[in-house]
Amino acid sequence: NAGVTQTPKFRVLKTGQSMTLLCAQDMNHEYMYWYRQDPGMGLRLIHYSVGEGTTAKGEVPDGYNVSRLKKQNFLLGLESAAPSQTSVYFCASSRPPVSGYEQYFGPGTRLTVT
Amino acid sequence: AQSVTQPDIHITVSEGASLELRCNYSYGATPYLFWYVQSPGQGLQLLLKYFSGDTLVQGIKGFEAEFKRSQSSFNLRKPSVHWSDAAEYFCHCRGGSNYKLTFGKGTLLTVNP
Repeated sequence: NAGVTQTPKFRVLKTGQSMTLLCAQDMNHEYMYWYRQDPGMGLRLIHYSVGEGTTAKGEVPDGYNVSRLKKQNFLLGLESAAPSQTSVYFCASSRPPVSGYEQYFGPGTRLTVT
Repeated sequence: AQSVTQPDIHITVSEGASLELRCNYSYGATPYLFWYVQSPGQGLQLLLKYFSGDTLVQGIKGFEAEFKRSQSSFNLRKPSVHWSDAAEYFCHCRGGSNYKLTFGKGTLLTVNP
């Protein structure tokens, strides 16, 4: 049982390049989330999904897109990377509301945009 | 607007001493409340959670937290800290019927031998 996995673990991009971060979970969770973590800022929600084929914006969605084509996968895309997107990105999944929203986090992807 | 405040950015305690990490939230109703811990280079791990019922909740690794509605607080406690508890701790608040998820900015715990 791998839990939540993220690919890649590290990435360096040049300004204007694009990339996709992959999140996979094997717990059959309906809900999935993408966060970014910056020093002194805690975690901020970028986008989330409440089920296969559905996505919604979080607190800081600008510059990012997401897709949830399969229940177990949640992809985060950067179409034209900017230095302000240098951050550590965490994916999480959670049980449905009746189980209390406990989130399970992946190990993170450290992205640097130069 | 929903918010979570962790007043202490960095706390240092000696091994074996007691610990209390503070968390205050602002939300119109009783939210779902969580404490997560993050070790360096790792993702977040759930310590404990509160939704309803008994206001004193027990978590993993010997941690507990108490929900105080009158003070809008959800402070995390441990009676005797171990060196392995050194990490960053995040308080998290979530509205029940919406997707307003708010994390505090974290408290970094250093444990002296």
